[in-house]
Amino acid sequence: NAGVTQTPKFQVLKTGQSMTLQCAQDMNHEYMSWYRQDPGMGLRLIHYSVGAGITDQGEVPNGYNVSRSTTEDFPLRLLSAAPSQTSVYFCASRTGGGQANEKLFFGSGTQLSVL
Amino acid sequence: QKEVEQDPGPLSVPEGAIVSLNCTYSNSAFQYFMWYRQYSRKGPELLMYTYSSGNKEDGRFTAQVDKSSKYISLFIRDSQPSDSATYLCAMRPGANSKLTFGKGITLSVRP
Repeated sequence: NAGVTQTPKFQVLKTGQSMTLQCAQDMNHEYMSWYRQDPGMGLRLIHYSVGAGITDQGEVPNGYNVSRSTTEDFPLRLLSAAPSQTSVYFCASRTGGGQANEKLFFGSGTQLSVL
Repeated sequence: QKEVEQDPGPLSVPEGAIVSLNCTYSNSAFQYFMWYRQYSRKGPELLMYTYSSGNKEDGRFTAQVDKSSKYISLFIRDSQPSDSATYLCAMRPGANSKLTFGKGITLSVRP
């Protein structure tokens, strides 16, 4: 069982370039989300989705776009990369049934550097 | 004041020590409390979950919640080198609400 798969694992961009971070899950989870993790800042929510066709902003959405056309995939787009977007990005998913103890399943992360 | 505060660390202990990791929070609406463990270059994984106040034990790990003091703790008994990781507390008000994470503390257990 693959769980949550993120690609690529590493990426270097120049300022102004665009790219898409891919996230796929095979657990039929309704809820998917993107976090960024920076030293001293912890995990911060960028965008999330409660089902196909539904997305919403998290704590730090500026500079990022998302879409959710299928249950399995939740790509994160950087339209014009900036050095401030240098970070480790994690995709996470869980069931959407509203169970209090449901846990987030995280991917292994994408380390992004913007020069 | 951040909603969730966690000691920044890092923390280094000898093998076999008892480890205490702590978080404080300001939002009295938080009712669901979690601890995630994150190994180097990996995503976080859920370690412990607790609802409201009280203790929960799982092997060498004990999670404790004191809602009156807005304080949660994770205790690790007989710590092992394999416990070396970053530990993040997380909490939320309701079952379907978003998680708020602490910044994480890096623990190193020396053989």
